[in-house]
Amino acid sequence: SYELTQPPSVSVSPGQTASITCSGDKLGDKYASWYQQRPGQSPVLVIYQDTKRPSGIPERFSGSNSGNTATLTISETQAMDEADYYCQAWDSSTVVFGGGTKLTIL
Amino acid sequence: EVQLVESGGGLVQPGGSLRLSCAASGFTFSSYWMTWVRQAPGKGLEWVANIKQDGSEKYYVDSVKGRFTISRDNAKSSLFLQMNSLRAEDTAVYYCASYENSLLAFDYWGQGILVTVSS
Repeated sequence: SYELTQPPSVSVSPGQTASITCSGDKLGDKYASWYQQRPGQSPVLVIYQDTKRPSGIPERFSGSNSGNTATLTISETQAMDEADYYCQAWDSSTVVFGGGTKLTIL
Repeated sequence: EVQLVESGGGLVQPGGSLRLSCAASGFTFSSYWMTWVRQAPGKGLEWVANIKQDGSEKYYVDSVKGRFTISRDNAKSSLFLQMNSLRAEDTAVYYCASYENSLLAFDYWGQGILVTVSS
């Protein structure tokens, strides 16, 4: 079965840029989405189709996807960005989530 | 405003059954694929099942095949998950979510409902 691998944790200082990776076999041939989940809340879509932001998501959030790796980049990080982030892709007709990355704003 | 509201969760003994419901409003339910995603305590998201707009296609994660059944009632804008032969490892918060074809992503999520399988 298809797997997506994320680092368990990423830490940055406020105002710095955070990069969260998601690795999977030929992931670049698929579309990747990213979801933010704050503690005690439901997931929220922050990036879809590799690079696009839904309305209401700050421009600080950006994405890329090439080869075997998709990357979520959050620039000028703020305390409110502290959350778990999950990548997601489709494998045939099934859905695959990465294991999640806890972003800590130091 | 789009709303997805799950119900039907609770405490059930191993081997028991439970039926989750998800009431949708604020969008044309019958035009969307729908999905169930679960999250065990302290763990990550796990996709459980998908259902096509007209219910003609359904897909499941291997761990629930033969035990869980996803269904929908478009007339009542409702999504369901019938869970049988429940195991301790099915303990999780269950979310329903809508799949937006133009985004190729899950754009709206419910608040989640807790299912606890324990004796």
